[in-house]
Amino acid sequence: QVQLVQSGGEVKKPGASVKVSCKVSGYTFTKYGLSWVRQAPGQSLEWMGWISAYNGDTQYAQRFQGRVTMTADTSTSTAYMELRSLTSADTAVFYCARGGGHNYNIDFWGQGTLVSVSS
Amino acid sequence: QSALTQEVSVSGTVGQKVTLSCSGNSYNIGTYPVAWYQQISHGPPKTVMFGNSLPSGIPDRFSGSRSGTTASLTISGLQADDEAEYYCSSWDYRLNVRVFGGGTKLTVL
Repeated sequence: QVQLVQSGGEVKKPGASVKVSCKVSGYTFTKYGLSWVRQAPGQSLEWMGWISAYNGDTQYAQRFQGRVTMTADTSTSTAYMELRSLTSADTAVFYCARGGGHNYNIDFWGQGTLVSVSS
Repeated sequence: QSALTQEVSVSGTVGQKVTLSCSGNSYNIGTYPVAWYQQISHGPPKTVMFGNSLPSGIPDRFSGSRSGTTASLTISGLQADDEAEYYCSSWDYRLNVRVFGGGTKLTVL
C-alpha cells in the first residue's frame, strides 16, 4: 500500500532552517509528483509547492519563493523540503502528499511533521 | 482568507444525510477537479473524494458533485466517526497554486 513516512518533529530558533524528509513506498517514486502542505495551529491547509519526482522540476507558491527548496532523491524514494529564515509564524505541521500539481489532486498524505519555532 | 469558501460548521444526527459545499470561481473549481479531505482530531488529512472518484476504502455513503463553480460533498447515513474537519481543494490557474477551503467542522449529534 502507498505510504509516505515523514521525519520527526523539530524545534528551531528564529532565523534557523529546517529540513523535513518524506520517504515513500508502495508505488514507483518517479511516477508521481509530491507536494508539501503547511497547517498552522487552528488553521486550514496551505500548499507550499510541488516537485516532480521524475525530473526534479519544482513549482513553489509565491509566498514561499526564495525561502523554500524541495528536492527528491530517486535512489532512496525520499523527498525533502527545506525552509529557511524561520519565524514563529512558521510553527506548523508540515505534510508531504502525493500529487498536488496542476494536473493531479493530492491522494495520499504523510503523517505530518511538527516544526516549532521559538526563541 | 481562503480562495475556496466552505461553511464553518455543519451538524447532523446519526443516519441523516448532510451536504457540505465548496464555492470557488472559474479559475479553480470551474476548470479543475475538486478533492475532499477528512481530518479527524488534528491528525493527517485523508482523501474521501478524488475528483468524481471514491478512493479505495471510502464507503459509498460519500459522494461528490460539482455545478459550475461550486462543489459539494454529500455524506449519507451519517455515523459518529464521520465527525471531523472537511477540506476541499482544487488547482487555481490564475494564482498558479493549489488552493484549499477554510474547512467545515462536521458535528454528529
